[in-house]
Amino acid sequence: QTVVTQEPSFSVSPGGTVTLTCGLSSGSVSSRYYPSWYQQTPGQAPRTLIYSTNTRSSGVPDRFSGSILGNKAALTITGAQADDESDYYCVLYMGSGDYVFGTGTKVTVL
Amino acid sequence: EVQLVESGGGLVKPGGSLRLSCAASGFTFSKAWMSWVRQAPGKGLEWVGRIKSKTDGGTTDYAAPVKGRFTISRNDSKNTLYLQMNSLKTEDTAVYYCTRINWGSAFDIWGQGTMVTVSS
Repeated sequence: QTVVTQEPSFSVSPGGTVTLTCGLSSGSVSSRYYPSWYQQTPGQAPRTLIYSTNTRSSGVPDRFSGSILGNKAALTITGAQADDESDYYCVLYMGSGDYVFGTGTKVTVL
Repeated sequence: EVQLVESGGGLVKPGGSLRLSCAASGFTFSKAWMSWVRQAPGKGLEWVGRIKSKTDGGTTDYAAPVKGRFTISRNDSKNTLYLQMNSLKTEDTAVYYCTRINWGSAFDIWGQGTMVTVSS
């Protein structure tokens, strides 16, 4: 069974930069897995931030960026704001109709 | 306005069945690949399954925990997606989200979710 791992939590200061990662329990993440990223605040539906590794979804501020760093997918928040405090999930498309969500990262802005 | 609205959630006993619906508007539903994603209380997001558009074959794929018990279908004339859930287990308790798959690999539109509780 494929496990997609994320850091459990991160803390960032307002205006600071934080990079979240998305890795595979076995193997490396590359663009062929079309990594995407989602933001979710408590009690709300997820919001799409990034798809196909580094393309921002419509209306997403450019302080959110996606990339491949080493053997992981990454989401970087540059100039963090208070309303960026949320849970963040990555998804890897494994092919053949199999999508796997990461374990999620809780980001605190303080 | 692009929108997905789920309905049909509720309380059901273990072993029971439930059918969720998702009404789509604001986009060409018949051309869309659609998916269900769930989130157990206090837990992360989990992909449940997807259905392709009829022009792309209309085939379905499911996550291992629900395969053989859940069935995704669609009625393009009603712009509605369905999730038939049979042989429900307590571990199926979750908020179920309807989503559209875009770019072949990501979820770009989300409903507000509907809660399913499996308990005796």
